[in-house]
Amino acid sequence: DGGITQSPKYLFRKEGQNVTLSCEQNLNHDAMYWYRQDPGQGLRLIYYSQIVNDFQKGDIAEGYSVSREKKESFPLTVTSAQKNPTAFYLCAITGARGGYTFGSGTRLTVV
Amino acid sequence: KQEVTQIPAALSVPEGENLVLNCSFTDSAIYNLQWFRQDPGKGLTSLLLIQSSQREQTSGRLNASLDKSSGRSTLYIAASQPGDSATYLCAVSYQGGSEKLVFGKGTKLTVNP
Repeated sequence: DGGITQSPKYLFRKEGQNVTLSCEQNLNHDAMYWYRQDPGQGLRLIYYSQIVNDFQKGDIAEGYSVSREKKESFPLTVTSAQKNPTAFYLCAITGARGGYTFGSGTRLTVV
Repeated sequence: KQEVTQIPAALSVPEGENLVLNCSFTDSAIYNLQWFRQDPGKGLTSLLLIQSSQREQTSGRLNASLDKSSGRSTLYIAASQPGDSATYLCAVSYQGGSEKLVFGKGTKLTVNP
């Protein structure tokens, strides 16, 4: 994973429940990102953060929230307001020359 | 609107064949272009990163080219192997690498023994 750890690998959410996906990096990079992947679609940006205590909405931020209290951590919370949360979630960082490195992903399923 | 298109959506070839995957993008003012590989149920693995000032990058049996003026990139895979079977994704960035990647939907490659 190139220094990016996502957990858990699989997550199940009940209706009306909030769940939090973890993303940790030990590469000392500033920028971190959350993407969502659905079958047959390209990856779509949910939120990104360029520095600690600051983050911006991406294309599909509704129903999600994030925090960036530490440089190493960028957790994503899928709230009950997200009506279709079943998807594969990927965390990424940007490194030298703007290249992206992705984590191994978390597969979230609504039960 | 910034869009990335990958053709074909799926490709099946016999082992040993040389092949080309295509990527086109609507906005040519890119910062860089990156090719990724994704195995089923896995995250993305970076294959090649091409800066906007570069024309191509090579890594082993892989060669990626970039033509900004025409809004196109190709990924060339030489002497394909069954282990190359995966989905290949093309993505471009526009804001100095600090903002989002725009992804294509990928090409699913199957290399048959």
